[in-house]
Amino acid sequence: ELKVEQNPLFLSMQEGKNYTIYCNYSTTSDRLYWYRQDPGKSLESLFVLLSNGAVKQEGRLMASLDTKARLSTLHITAAVHDLSATYFCAVDNDMRFGAGTRLTVKP
Amino acid sequence: DSGVTQTPKHLITATGQRVTLRCSPRSGDLSVYWYQQSLDQGLQFLIQYYNGEERAKGNILERFSAQQFPDLHSELNLSSLELGDSALYFCASSPRGRYNEQFFGPGTRLTVL
Repeated sequence: ELKVEQNPLFLSMQEGKNYTIYCNYSTTSDRLYWYRQDPGKSLESLFVLLSNGAVKQEGRLMASLDTKARLSTLHITAAVHDLSATYFCAVDNDMRFGAGTRLTVKP
Repeated sequence: DSGVTQTPKHLITATGQRVTLRCSPRSGDLSVYWYQQSLDQGLQFLIQYYNGEERAKGNILERFSAQQFPDLHSELNLSSLELGDSALYFCASSPRGRYNEQFFGPGTRLTVL
């Protein structure tokens, strides 16, 4: 059974700092997605990673995919309060989601 | 606003009852997905339809069923409701040829008492 593991599950960081969220999955997949969810809201698509070595950047967020290691990372650069949310990765097989990483950015 | 609409926004019902959740995808999107989000189980994929046909099935209970109509809107039917079915139900749609990037609706919060 496909397992998708995110870590950390909770992340509290200060504004201006950098950090990385990790998403490991247990079976072969060429596609991985990152979503953001604000409290009480729906999910918003952030990145679609379609192949090994794919790297995408949007503002202070950068996502990458290593299909051989079955690992995706979401890197946060110089965090700001507006990035506080829960971030989910999802693997294309069965659209299996990770448990989510709840990010809190403090001043 | 993703362009995906869901009704109703909130639904409160009793155990044993049956409810229908409705989803209208973004204009032009052929695929519709249903998800359940709860504190216990996280975000779970239930089922996908593509242009009226079932495409993929996830952790959908036998008490639940879905369909996609010719106008591409979709309905999720939940029957013999149990307390544990209380959750947020999301619908998402994806554009053709966009490798499953999904656009989520606002969700329906179901409370079973």
